[in-house]
Amino acid sequence: EPEVTQTPSHQVTQMGQEVILRCVPISNHLYFYWYRQILGQKVEFLVSFYNNEISEKSEIFDDQFSVERPDGSNFTLKIRSTKLEDSAMYFCASSMDSLSNTGELFFGEGSRLTVL
Amino acid sequence: AQRVTQPEKLLSVFKGAPVELKCNYSYSGSPELFWYVQYSRQRLQLLLRHISRESIKGFTADLNKGETSFHLKKPFAQEEDSAMYYCALNSNNAGNMLTFGGGTRLMVKP
Repeated sequence: EPEVTQTPSHQVTQMGQEVILRCVPISNHLYFYWYRQILGQKVEFLVSFYNNEISEKSEIFDDQFSVERPDGSNFTLKIRSTKLEDSAMYFCASSMDSLSNTGELFFGEGSRLTVL
Repeated sequence: AQRVTQPEKLLSVFKGAPVELKCNYSYSGSPELFWYVQYSRQRLQLLLRHISRESIKGFTADLNKGETSFHLKKPFAQEEDSAMYYCALNSNNAGNMLTFGGGTRLMVKP
């Protein structure tokens, strides 16, 4: 059964460093997402991506964040200058259809980012 | 602004007992509600959505617009139901953004 895969599973970085989290969505899916979950808190939406552009983003997704689909298979999340409060589990997800058309989100296992 | 509230962080029941995981939402329009589940060491996955009106693994959930609730129920809990359960809402206006509740950990004891 196809799955969303994420790398790395865990990354430790120093504050101020750039981080790139990578995701390979399910191959025939058209919509891609990043969510994050700070330890003990809710799963929060960051950004959705469709047709090679951002379709929605939350207030969390500020200028320090960017997403890219560089080669038709990978979907990356970049944090330019990490802050302590960026420490979280980052989940990539994909869907074949939009949520408003009852598309189901398929999640990856997550990338745990620890900023020291 | 849309919000999803799951008032219980932990719900512990014995095997065979009925289960009800509470979910309340606030949204002025016509919401789409979902339940996602995360079993131990597994990824977050869809359990059910209100528009499909189906029972998955014995679980059902009814959207009550008057009470703005979408509680998840199962008449007889099984040990394998132990997991983290998240209620989520997609507002039509927001398109592709799910708003999650804080989650409820269900523990089913033998």
